[in-house]
Amino acid sequence: DAKTTQPPSMDCAEGRAANLPCNHSTISGNEYVYWYRQIHSQGPQYIIHGLKNNETNEMASLIITEDRKSSTLILPHATLRDTAVYYCIAPGGTSYGKLTFGQGTILTVHP
Amino acid sequence: EAGVAQSPRYKIIEKRQSVAFWCNPISGHATLYWYQQILGQGPKLLIQFQNNGVVDDSQLPKDRFSAERLKGVDSTLKIQPAKLEDSAVYLCASSLGGRPLEGEKLFFGSGTQLSVL
Repeated sequence: DAKTTQPPSMDCAEGRAANLPCNHSTISGNEYVYWYRQIHSQGPQYIIHGLKNNETNEMASLIITEDRKSSTLILPHATLRDTAVYYCIAPGGTSYGKLTFGQGTILTVHP
Repeated sequence: EAGVAQSPRYKIIEKRQSVAFWCNPISGHATLYWYQQILGQGPKLLIQFQNNGVVDDSQLPKDRFSAERLKGVDSTLKIQPAKLEDSAVYLCASSLGGRPLEGEKLFFGSGTQLSVL
């Protein structure tokens, strides 16, 4: 697995964009970047994934740098319910590779 | 669509006792995962099943942990005997085909919180 580095915690005001960075400088060319989040007392929830191009879905946007060494998850209008631990994952290249979760970023959205 | 079901939600036992957790994945999902999440850490994969066969159990402490997935649907995870360090949340997840590297999503249950006293 490519090693990922995330800040341990971030704050964001409600209604503002939350930009969560992730460094994955050892990622290889065919490895996707995944983002999951975990709200207190729940299991992790899939957010988005990408390979080379920027991606957007109903939950978030994912911006991947051209060299693929880092990415940013963007929650365009954060709400209090977005307070959670956000995990950036770059799995290894085997066919049945496992998702290895690191410590993640604790995002706290303030009123 | 029903999600991944787990039971019990909470379990308190004394060390050296045994305990079992149950998971029912999303209908049609071939792959089932058990993760252990210790407080303050990210989830750690214990075992991965593809249908009823084991794909990866490299991080399962096999001297005390066992898991089975009969008929390729439900699964149980057992700990016997439990130790204090087994206190954690045990998460079950499922996916359609077992290829998370190719854009496949994992769906997680809410977990079983185990306290070993």
